[in-house]
Amino acid sequence: DAEITQSPRHKITETGRQVTLACHQTWNHNNMFWYRQDLGHGLRLIHYSYGVQDTNKGEVSDGYSVSRSNTEDLPLTLESAASSQTSVYFCASSERTSATQFFGPGTRLTVL
Amino acid sequence: GNSVTQMEGPVTLSEEAFLTINCTYTATGYPSLFWYVQYPGEGLQLLLKATKADDKGSNKGFEATYRKETTSFHLEKGSVQVSDSAVYFCALSDPLTGNQFYFGTGTSLTVIP
Repeated sequence: DAEITQSPRHKITETGRQVTLACHQTWNHNNMFWYRQDLGHGLRLIHYSYGVQDTNKGEVSDGYSVSRSNTEDLPLTLESAASSQTSVYFCASSERTSATQFFGPGTRLTVL
Repeated sequence: GNSVTQMEGPVTLSEEAFLTINCTYTATGYPSLFWYVQYPGEGLQLLLKATKADDKGSNKGFEATYRKETTSFHLEKGSVQVSDSAVYFCALSDPLTGNQFYFGTGTSLTVIP
């Protein structure tokens, strides 16, 4: 069955370190998205991609970057982790012409 | 701009009670509307959706009707079960902005036996 996976599921890091969160989907979807989930804010869009070599900034993109070298993967990099980036991160994907997004299980990141 | 406002939680109900979670939206175009459910420790799962006015989405006993005149998409279930305890998110997808999603803040539901 097609799926979307994220790794690691839990990560503890220190302020200032670079961190990369992986997202891999086997739906063959063109669209991929990264969100962060914080209490009281729901889900907020960080970055998104509509295809290979395409990346776009979302609502809360400062301090984050993504790259899209193939259809299946959209890794999220925190260039220099900050305590404010402690959150749960979700990756999602959708078909080009369909609005429905499918979500991964999430990565809980703690920045000390 | 686009935004979603949903009922503040948490909501606590007894088993077999009627559930309503209110959701209203603001959109520039003609969005699709969604309800997602998040069980503890898991990602979001699509519960139901509606793509145009007056459409009714339904799944697992949950229903929501796309009401353009009141810009609402309220979630209802006639008889909740303990297994329905979760966080529910209302969302819209706006084709004018490349089908980006806009989420509400989520409503936590606890059903007690």
